[in-house]
Amino acid sequence: EGQVAESGGGLVQPGGALRLSCAASEFSFTTYEMAWVRQAPGKGLEWVATINRDGSEKHYVDSVKGRFFISRDNAKTSLYVQMNSLRVEDTATYYCTRVNFGGAFDIWGQGTMVTVSS
Amino acid sequence: QPVLTQPPSTSASLGASVTLTCTLSSGFDFYKVDWYQQRPGKGPRFVMRVGTGGIVGAKGDGIPDRFSVSGSGLNRLLTINNIQEEDESDYYCGADHGTGSNFVWVFGGGTRLTVL
Repeated sequence: EGQVAESGGGLVQPGGALRLSCAASEFSFTTYEMAWVRQAPGKGLEWVATINRDGSEKHYVDSVKGRFFISRDNAKTSLYVQMNSLRVEDTATYYCTRVNFGGAFDIWGQGTMVTVSS
Repeated sequence: QPVLTQPPSTSASLGASVTLTCTLSSGFDFYKVDWYQQRPGKGPRFVMRVGTGGIVGAKGDGIPDRFSVSGSGLNRLLTINNIQEEDESDYYCGADHGTGSNFVWVFGGGTRLTVL
């Protein structure tokens, strides 16, 4: 079916930066769009960003536009998100997910926790 | 973009049936939604997609036959029959919305299912 595994989370001060990575395996990475979805502690799911198959088209939720940048390396079957100017409200578990051909998120990782705090 | 509304919680007895509701905002009658299951401490899991005609495409991997969907008007329903302990989870509905070059994905607030 395929797997994804996130890494790179941690504690960062407000205004700081962090880069999350997602390693994909057991599926044809270049065939699928990919996305990041986050979940603040005790809260629901929030879509963050999506990237198309060749990386030429990206979409972001308004709250992260200009601060977060999604990218992918198809040769390494990896997805990334560079998060700059981090805010306390960005504290969440960040999930990497595959976008199936219908637009649903059909493969999810276990998530990586990002804590923004002084 | 659509707003998806879900009741925050519900409960059902072991072996019983329960129907979870996701309601689309007005004007989005023809939208399909995706159902996701999130067990405590785990990442979400795709369940299936539903439109007004019922299931769209295939169920997610490992989703048992006890799970089914239906749709009518603005409501997209997930029904679980013969509820098991492992069904105790948060359930989210989600939808994508695109106009031109602008695409967004939205989620409902989630429904916590407690198995009694």
